[in-house]
Amino acid sequence: GAVVSQHPSRVICKSGTSVKIECRSLDFQATTMFWYRQFPKQSLMLMATSNEGSKATYEQGVEKDKFLINHASLTLSTLTVTSAHPEDSSFYICSAPPRRADTSGGVTDTQYFGPGTRLTVL
Amino acid sequence: GQNIDQPTEMTATEGAIVQINCTYQTSGFNGLFWYQQHAGEAPTFLSYNVLDGLEEKGRFSSFLSRSKGYSYLLLKELQMKDSASYLCAVRDRNRDDKIIFGKGTRLHILP
Repeated sequence: GAVVSQHPSRVICKSGTSVKIECRSLDFQATTMFWYRQFPKQSLMLMATSNEGSKATYEQGVEKDKFLINHASLTLSTLTVTSAHPEDSSFYICSAPPRRADTSGGVTDTQYFGPGTRLTVL
Repeated sequence: GQNIDQPTEMTATEGAIVQINCTYQTSGFNGLFWYQQHAGEAPTFLSYNVLDGLEEKGRFSSFLSRSKGYSYLLLKELQMKDSASYLCAVRDRNRDDKIIFGKGTRLHILP
C-alpha cells in the first residue's frame, strides 16, 4: 500500500527555536500534500495544503509566516515551525492523496497519513 | 461552511456490535471517509463512500445517505483492539477537494 513517512517522529525544542518536519511519499508521487495539527483528545485540524511547484495555501487562522511550507519535489514536503512557543506543542501529521484501485475494480480516493511528529516546545 | 457531527464517546462490549453515526452539512459533497486512530498514532483508513448504500469490509461496514447527510460505521464482533477513536471526514469539492475531519468518537470496549 501507499506509504507516507515523516521525520522526526518526536522533537523537543526550546522556545524561540525553529523546527523542520519532513513528509515523504515513499512509493508514489504527490503533487499535493496536506498538513494537519492535532491537540490532545481533539480531531485533526487542517493547517495548509502543500502544492508542488507553487505556494502553499493556508486555512483560515493559520499564520503562513509562522508555519513555512516548502514542497521541494513530488515526494517531499516540509513544514517549518518558526520561533516555536509552548502553545505550538502538538501532534503534526501530513497526508498525501494517491488515487488507488480497490479490490472490486473501482477507484478509491483516500489520503494516506504519515506516522506523525510530536512536537514539544519547552 | 462545513459541519460534521459525531458522538464524543461510546462504550460497547467485546463480541458485540456498535454503530457510530456521523451527520454532515457541506455544499460540495465529494466523498465520506472513516478513519481509525489509536492514541498517539496517525489515522488509518477504514472506508470510503461516495454513493448511497452500504460498503462492507470484513468486520467493518460503512453506510451513506447523501440526501440525509448521514453516514454510519458499523463494527461487528468487537475486539479489545478496536478501542480507538473513529474519525468521520468529508471531502468538499468547493474547498479544493480537501478532506475535513469531524471531532472523532472515542470507542471504549469492555471485556
